[in-house]
Amino acid sequence: EAGVAQSPRYKIIEKRQSVAFWCNPISGHATLYWYQQILGQGPKLLIQFQNNGVVDDSQLPKDRFSAERLKGVDSTLKIQPAKLEDSAVYLCASSPPYGTNSGNTIYFGEGSWLTVV
Amino acid sequence: GESVGLHLPTLSVQEGDNSIINCAYSNSASDYFIWYKQESGKGPQFIIDIRSNMDKRQGQRVTVLLNKTVKHLSLQIAATQPGDSAVYFCAENGAGSYQLTFGKGTKLSVIP
Repeated sequence: EAGVAQSPRYKIIEKRQSVAFWCNPISGHATLYWYQQILGQGPKLLIQFQNNGVVDDSQLPKDRFSAERLKGVDSTLKIQPAKLEDSAVYLCASSPPYGTNSGNTIYFGEGSWLTVV
Repeated sequence: GESVGLHLPTLSVQEGDNSIINCAYSNSASDYFIWYKQESGKGPQFIIDIRSNMDKRQGQRVTVLLNKTVKHLSLQIAATQPGDSAVYFCAENGAGSYQLTFGKGTKLSVIP
């Protein structure tokens, strides 16, 4: 089974520029998440989608971050304009429908590493 | 607020020894716990999980123990190998929720 795919893996941009990350979840996973992981810390949830609807975006800095999942499969996360403190790994994750044999386990991609200079 | 945290930020063990990584949680409503392993440059990888109706679960070389009385979770790795070197996170979510709360992680270093 293919895992969660993310691109690009690495990106370096200057502050005030924009960047977009793409995610393709595991096939059949209706729930998709974007997490931000700052070096030395655990991942922090930014936004959660159920199919193409937003379940929780309470921790998404909406003045500069946006995310969409228009067709309920792939998702993009955009940052515009970027700040130095946005330097982090952006992890996409997905999970199977609640109540399946896999429980509510979340599976992560390899991450997109952003450096803002 | 509610949080999940780890007692030890770093742990060094000799190859072949057993490792124990601890985690404390504060949300008494948490009913599902997961241990993730994160190697350098990679995303978190699922290791093992446990539900609140259990106090022990075993996998291949790994055992998770849950003590709900003191809200403590531990990950035991038997016969630790160099490939086990990574940062380990515990995470929890509440009933019916997919939202995971992560601790800061423990870095495990295996000495050959």
